Amino acid sequence: AQSVSQHNHHVILSEAASLELGCNYSYGGTVNLFWYVQYPGQHLQLLLKYFSGDPLVKGIKGFEAEFIKSKFSFNLRKPSVQWSDTAEYFCAVNAGTGGFKTIFGAGTRLFVKA
Amino acid sequence: GAVVSQHPSWVICKSGTSVKIECRSLDFQATTMFWYRQFPKQSLMLMATSNEGSKATYEQGVEKDKFLINHASLTLSTLTVTSAHPEDSSFYICSARDWASGSSDTQYFGPGTRLTVL
Repeated sequence: AQSVSQHNHHVILSEAASLELGCNYSYGGTVNLFWYVQYPGQHLQLLLKYFSGDPLVKGIKGFEAEFIKSKFSFNLRKPSVQWSDTAEYFCAVNAGTGGFKTIFGAGTRLFVKA
Repeated sequence: GAVVSQHPSWVICKSGTSVKIECRSLDFQATTMFWYRQFPKQSLMLMATSNEGSKATYEQGVEKDKFLINHASLTLSTLTVTSAHPEDSSFYICSARDWASGSSDTQYFGPGTRLTVL
């Protein structure tokens, strides 16, 4: 069965600090990988996704993620965070063979201090 | 972009009553919709996969007789919580997969429905 683990439940950063949120998954086959963001009081939005090709994926708002197949990882990064990045971030995975069931990690709450 | 709506956004009901939550894809057709449950400070837990014109597929541990799902059209799926009890209080979120997206497997999420059972 697929599972997703996110390393940090809470992260506190100052503005302009660099961000890296860890995500590891367990599934032996081809996967599609996602990062979603949920801003306070808002619904989930897609930040970026990986299906195939270049393992370094760029998303919206300056976020990027790198798929490292050998490590079963899909870490999210941003070089310089802003106060407006305060939100909860979810890593998610589904089987790449047409299985549309998506499994979510527990989420990481990011708080950026102004 | 693709928009998914849910109605109602918040519902309060008495224990023992049934509550219906609607999930609509507003500008695309969704052959597949998903229902999730999110507890406070926790992640989304997939409850079931709803396929248009067929029975829903429930995740292990989810009572199909308690959480009735109907996907009657390409733009509407409903979740009915039957005989609701306080432990059913939660945030229910639906998502829809754009039929035209092919193999992209991108889901679009609704804003969620907060259910409070007294």
